[in-house]
Amino acid sequence: DAKTTQPPSMDCAEGRAANLPCNHSTISGNEYVYWYRQIHSQGPQYIIHGLKNNETNEMASLIITEDRKSSTLILPHATLRDTAVYYCIVRVAGNTGKLIFGQGTTLQVKP
Amino acid sequence: GAVVSQHPSWVICKSGTSVKIECRSLDFQATTMFWYRQFPKQSLMLMATSNEGSKATYEQGVEKDKFLINHASLTLSTLTVTSAHPEDSSFYICSARATSGRARTDTQYFGPGTRLTVL
Repeated sequence: DAKTTQPPSMDCAEGRAANLPCNHSTISGNEYVYWYRQIHSQGPQYIIHGLKNNETNEMASLIITEDRKSSTLILPHATLRDTAVYYCIVRVAGNTGKLIFGQGTTLQVKP
Repeated sequence: GAVVSQHPSWVICKSGTSVKIECRSLDFQATTMFWYRQFPKQSLMLMATSNEGSKATYEQGVEKDKFLINHASLTLSTLTVTSAHPEDSSFYICSARATSGRARTDTQYFGPGTRLTVL
C-alpha cells in the first residue's frame, strides 16, 4: 500500500473549518483514500473515504486532487469533541486491502 | 449501525497466564477481522488478519503461537494472548470489515479496544 504524509499536528479554532492535508503521491489507480480518527484511549472511528471524486457525509468532506496525489479532509465546523488524531490511509479495495496506520495528524480544537 | 464491541474493556493478569479478548460485530457480518496493538503515544500496528473459517495471517514479527486468533463466525473473532508477560501490556484493538448488514460494505469498523496490563 502507498505511504501517506501528514503534518504531525494542527490547531483549529472552535466553530471554524478544519482542513487536514494528506499527501499520497505514490497512490495506485485502484487504491482508495480513507480517513479515520482516534480520540484518546478509544478505537479509531471511520470518517469518510473516496477514490477520485470528492465525497461528503454528515461528518466531513473529502477533497481529492485531480491527479490523486493529495487530499484534504474538511471538518466544516470544528468542535472541541473533534480533538483527535486523524489518520489518512490508502488502501486497495476488497479482501487484499489492509489499513496500515501512519502517525497521523493530531488536531487540537481550541475554544 | 456498524458497531463493533470488545470484551473485556480492560484486564489485569499475572505474568504467565493467558488472556482471551473477544471482538464482535453487532449489526453486520464480517468475513474478515483484524487485530491491532497500540503502545502509548504510538500509532496502531497491525498484528494479524483473520478470515472466517480459516487460519489467520500474521504480520511479520508477530508470533502466531503467542497470539492465537480464532474467527469462528461472521460476527466473532477472538485473540488469546498466551503466557502473557509484562512486555505484552498494550492496547489491543480489533476491527471488522463489513460484508453485509447495517454497515457500509468493505469498510473497516473498529472496536473500543482492550487495555491489557500484565503484572
